[in-house]
Amino acid sequence: SQQGEEDPQALSIQEGENATMNCSYKTSINNLQWYRQNSGRGLVHLILIRSNEREKHSGRLRVTLDTSKKSSSLLITASRAADTASYFCATDLSGSARQLTFGSGTQLTVLP
Amino acid sequence: NAGVTQTPKFQVLKTGQSMTLQCAQDMNHEYMSWYRQDPGMGLRLIHYSVGAGITDQGEVPNGYNVSRSTTEDFPLRLLSAAPSQTSVYFCASSLTGTQPQHFGDGTRLSIL
Repeated sequence: SQQGEEDPQALSIQEGENATMNCSYKTSINNLQWYRQNSGRGLVHLILIRSNEREKHSGRLRVTLDTSKKSSSLLITASRAADTASYFCATDLSGSARQLTFGSGTQLTVLP
Repeated sequence: NAGVTQTPKFQVLKTGQSMTLQCAQDMNHEYMSWYRQDPGMGLRLIHYSVGAGITDQGEVPNGYNVSRSTTEDFPLRLLSAAPSQTSVYFCASSLTGTQPQHFGDGTRLSIL
């Protein structure tokens, strides 16, 4: 069963535009993480936000967390062709046994 | 700086054959896990280990075996391959199951 669900499933934008992806989840979490996956490669961790945090930044990435709505957003500013990848959220469920639950991902295409 | 190494990268099997997917990490991580990735379904946890000698089942364990004799290695065995096991398999490691995960580049497995 999937805890996090990303929206949209696919997103296509022009280089220089901002890209926003959303993740919704169903139960309480300890933290939420975002990962990137380039075609044919493994997932790479981008950012972790804890349940008591509302916003976090890392370079061109901005992540927000709204625990009342059980949702998170990943914003990539000034996108580049190299940002083309799939993006996944992963949740660490409160009271869960030691593992993350991944969503099905958003496929982002940045057109040059 | 090898990180997580998976071998082989590609494999084609016939139904009923057995094989072992190898995973090794050089970061001294206690936690290791195996996921399968199928189109539109994100990553699903197969088995995980919180340390040498300790393994446990994830969401989709049937048809797979694991063992953890050392901290570094966590092989995944397919006992009798079935077409439904055609997938991309990822190994990951971390300090714990809920900390940022380090992924290998995957094994692409086709069962005919």
